[in-house]
Amino acid sequence: QVQLVESGGGVIPPGRSLTVSCVASGFNFRKYGMHWVRQAPGKGLEWVAVIWYDGIDKYYADSVKGRFTVSRDNSKNTVYLHMNSLRVEDTAVYYCARVESGIDVWGQGTTVTVSS
Amino acid sequence: EIVVAQSPLSLPVTPGEPASISCRSSRSLLHSNGFNYLEWFLQRPGQSPQLLIYLASHRASGVPDRFSGSGSGTDFTLNISRVEADDVGVYYCMQVLQTPFTFGPGTKVDIQ
Repeated sequence: QVQLVESGGGVIPPGRSLTVSCVASGFNFRKYGMHWVRQAPGKGLEWVAVIWYDGIDKYYADSVKGRFTVSRDNSKNTVYLHMNSLRVEDTAVYYCARVESGIDVWGQGTTVTVSS
Repeated sequence: EIVVAQSPLSLPVTPGEPASISCRSSRSLLHSNGFNYLEWFLQRPGQSPQLLIYLASHRASGVPDRFSGSGSGTDFTLNISRVEADDVGVYYCMQVLQTPFTFGPGTKVDIQ
């Protein structure tokens, strides 16, 4: 079945880097754009980044621009979010999600906690 | 950046009764192709978000027809014709016309 599985979250000190991954299955991954969306504890949803199907066009939220980079490896059905210079306020559950007719498939999320 | 607002932020509902959530954007979400780039999601407690409506009024696959979306330009509405207990959670609208894409603050729906 169509599925997205995130991994790579953890506890990390401020200023460090971390990469989270999302592996897709059950659909032709290379044909779809992919989003990253995050949710801080007890807060609402915040869009983070999108990478279109070919991996060329990428866009970011202002809050992460210059610190986060989204990439994909279509041969591995995987999308990545590389996070540099992490801040306490980046603490959140990070979801990847597929774009088709709407943002129609979401993963279960991976938790990133930025704390000293 | 397009700012998205929702009202109310909290909505107590009665099973079997209708419910309605409003979403307003700071700029028109109407594309030149005639579609409004507005989506609705439900996040049930402890779960990932689920797509309900895309392009303002198109119901996503598997979504009950109790849910409907309407509106154009800057004003949109999500209607639930008859609320069920399983509909509790937080409802978000999101504009996907222009990056950075933005969510509304969410409307918490619970059974009164």
